[in-house]
Amino acid sequence: GAVVSQHPSWVICKSGTSVKIECRSLDFQATTMFWYRQFPKQSLMLMATSNEGSKATYEQGVEKDKFLINHASLTLSTLTVTSAHPEDSSFYICSARDHWTPYNEQFFGPGTRLTVL
Amino acid sequence: GQQVMQIPQYQHVQEGEDFTTYCNSSTTLSNIQWYKQRPGGHPVFLIQLVKSGEVKKQKRLTFQFGEAKKNSSLHITATQTTDVGTYFCAGGYGGSQGNLIFGKGTKLSVKP
Repeated sequence: GAVVSQHPSWVICKSGTSVKIECRSLDFQATTMFWYRQFPKQSLMLMATSNEGSKATYEQGVEKDKFLINHASLTLSTLTVTSAHPEDSSFYICSARDHWTPYNEQFFGPGTRLTVL
Repeated sequence: GQQVMQIPQYQHVQEGEDFTTYCNSSTTLSNIQWYKQRPGGHPVFLIQLVKSGEVKKQKRLTFQFGEAKKNSSLHITATQTTDVGTYFCAGGYGGSQGNLIFGKGTKLSVKP
């Protein structure tokens, strides 16, 4: 149980285009989902917290107009990187909380590797 | 702001040796979680510590939470090649949404 999927697993796009990444909780309802960015050999940097049916909460320094987050249902959150540039190339990972588990842990998706040319 | 420091950044050990990674928070934590990320994989939850001075064991892994709830450690006894990966601590500060602040991680390599 507690499986989180991400799609696509990797994407290559041209500079200036937008890319949408989907995060789904497959076997549980996730009222809260998180979006992280991970640079090579570095830690997970929390970008934003996404709650179903409400606006996402962005961390300091993360441009909300550039990284659009939508959490329209209890099993799906999307991250759209708008007008992507090469510096946006990174590994994006989502995670989800299952409020019915005994711990407050986050279940992570497999990540999406974004390369902007 | 809240920060979670984790050391060492890298650790190379011979198979059978012990390994320890340490985490320290600038402020008191409500809980601390530990995750393991295998090479090419995603973080996987290992354990959560909540109580001051708590110690939990999972086979060869021992997790400790400091008395002041500001530091934690993960100790692996007699490492195996399957222990290879990056171990992250993540501090929870009591937010209603369960946000976590991740440490930079300790990358463990085990030489057979």
